[in-house]
Amino acid sequence: DTAVSQTPKYLVTQMGNDKSIKCEQNLGHDTMYWYKQDSKKFLKIMFSYNNKELIINETVPNRFSPKSPDKAHLNLHINSLELGDSAVYFCASSPRTGGPYEQYFGPGTRLTVT
Amino acid sequence: ILNVEQSPQSLHVQEGDSTNFTCSFPSSNFYALHWYRWETAKSPEALFVMTLNGDEKKKGRISATLNTKEGYSYLYIKGSQPEDSATYLCALGGNEKLTFGTGTRLTIIP
Repeated sequence: DTAVSQTPKYLVTQMGNDKSIKCEQNLGHDTMYWYKQDSKKFLKIMFSYNNKELIINETVPNRFSPKSPDKAHLNLHINSLELGDSAVYFCASSPRTGGPYEQYFGPGTRLTVT
Repeated sequence: ILNVEQSPQSLHVQEGDSTNFTCSFPSSNFYALHWYRWETAKSPEALFVMTLNGDEKKKGRISATLNTKEGYSYLYIKGSQPEDSATYLCALGGNEKLTFGTGTRLTIIP
């Protein structure tokens, strides 16, 4: 059973399109995250949600909109895709806030914008 | 902006040898230090979460130490095996936000 899953694994799309990446965790965790792995291989936090509520938004362009329908899911919607959005996006979860707790990562979604 | 630095960037080690690498971070406002192992084509996997100065953690042949006063952590691998080949990431912060270093890419030569 996959603990943190993401779909799709690969996404190739054209500039200007709108796309979504889905994330689900079956660990019963309260907190979920989106990270972006940039061209220099840095993992950078984008968003953090605790129990469906946004707690961190790291100066991400507002074309990126996370949505958490319930605490097991955190989806990432991206409007008007740009070339610079090409990256690997990782979803993660941890038990709750107030840790520190280790984070469990999904397999990543490689987004390519052409 | 927190600056988390790891050295070396990459390392080749003969199978059976022991090795170590460093994570440096600002010592002020320390909360926690995480180590992750990231194998190619997989997702990062937590190794240790450390909070106390002088903390030492061990998992099999891998261990880590923490010095929060001077702002560094060492990761040690004893008797390297091919399956240890991976990128090792450290990350600073609390639960809500982790700031990752760029990693040390370790290759074990059989």
